[in-house]
Amino acid sequence: GQNIDQPTEMTATEGAIVQINCTYQTSGFNGLFWYQQHAGEAPTFLSYNVLDGLEEKGRFSSFLSRSKGYSYLLLKELQMKDSASYLCAELMNRDDKIIFGKGTRLHILP
Amino acid sequence: KAGVTQTPRYLIKTRGQQVTLSCSPISGHRSVSWYQQTPGQGLQFLFEYFSETQRNKGNFPGRFSGRQFSNSRSEMNVSTLELGDSALYLCASRLATNYEQYFGPGTRLTVT
Repeated sequence: GQNIDQPTEMTATEGAIVQINCTYQTSGFNGLFWYQQHAGEAPTFLSYNVLDGLEEKGRFSSFLSRSKGYSYLLLKELQMKDSASYLCAELMNRDDKIIFGKGTRLHILP
Repeated sequence: KAGVTQTPRYLIKTRGQQVTLSCSPISGHRSVSWYQQTPGQGLQFLFEYFSETQRNKGNFPGRFSGRQFSNSRSEMNVSTLELGDSALYLCASRLATNYEQYFGPGTRLTVT
């Protein structure tokens, strides 16, 4: 996870919007993933961005800027079930390895 | 379609012992990757197997090894266990044609 930087924890309120940022190493970059992991469960795939721009999937959107080495995950209309860790991961083109960040633990308050 | 399965789900071992963990991928998925997850280090890549060949390896000592069988099932082995090997070990499978990984529930290994 040394190539990837994301906040350790964030807190937001039910019904609100939250943006989770991720910066990564641009050298050898081939794509950017976001995964959700509830406590005690396996990670589940949320998104995969290769090109610059915003991709929307329901309440969740993911943005990528390749030139800046920056991505964010946007969660709208937050629900209590969105309390989880959100993992940013980079696909390296050199060897197809997927390198994960340490994750951002998101707490939702009622 | 059944998801990724891992056995056992929980394991307690003593320092110096060895352990073998098993992963059965989703049917049709020929790539299996293994990860170690700890609170301090997050999710760290161990290795990836594709069609019985190791494609990639992370920065773990040689005590960590793996293999994949012709039916795509994979095993990982850790020899001479250390206390620091206590972790959640996750495997993930994917199709050869895209990078979306599906994770299993993990094996929680405790070394005492």
